[in-house]
Amino acid sequence: SQKIEQNSEALNIQEGKTATLTCNYTNYSPAYLQWYRQDPGRGPVFLLLIRENEKEKRKERLKVTFDTTLKQSLFHITASQPADSATYLCAFPSYGGSQGNLIFGKGTKLSVKP
Amino acid sequence: KAGVTQTPRYLIKTRGQQVTLSCSPISGHRSVSWYQQTPGQGLQFLFEYFSETQRNKGNFPGRFSGRQFSNSRSEMNVSTLELGDSALYLCASSYLTGGTSYEQYFGPGTRLTVT
Repeated sequence: SQKIEQNSEALNIQEGKTATLTCNYTNYSPAYLQWYRQDPGRGPVFLLLIRENEKEKRKERLKVTFDTTLKQSLFHITASQPADSATYLCAFPSYGGSQGNLIFGKGTKLSVKP
Repeated sequence: KAGVTQTPRYLIKTRGQQVTLSCSPISGHRSVSWYQQTPGQGLQFLFEYFSETQRNKGNFPGRFSGRQFSNSRSEMNVSTLELGDSALYLCASSYLTGGTSYEQYFGPGTRLTVT
């Protein structure tokens, strides 16, 4: 069965540095991959989507890469701020499933220290 | 535009009881999905509904069921509750065709505690 792994449960960095989060998957490569942010006591919030034919996607201080050969996506936050502290989840649609049938990684909890 | 709403926000039930959770999607969204989130397993897909029809179902026992109404509101039901059902239950809605981002809009969740 398809598995998705986010290598680090927690990541602590200093304000102003770049945070890099990793998402690895097994078996088939999805048509697209999404990244979500989740704050305590709240539902996930969509951040970015990257398609299998795209190498890189940017949105303000966020950058996502997708390497189908390595079966990996990297999520970068540049010039990180304490307000970026949250849990970040990667997700993609289940094989043969529709867009509402997502497989999620367990998330990486990012803490940005001032 | 109002976001996805879920009721109740918190619920405490006893083993063996049943529970019904409700989700109102964003206006215009016709696809509703349900997920269970626990510290050990993370977010796991339960089921997805579109136009009152279940499109997909996750790997959960038959005690978990759901439905969608003609106004796209959805409910999920868990019968014969077990301690392991304690979790945050999240509902997400989206445009079926996904536009360009296929993003899912999540509600705040219902925190279910089974004692």
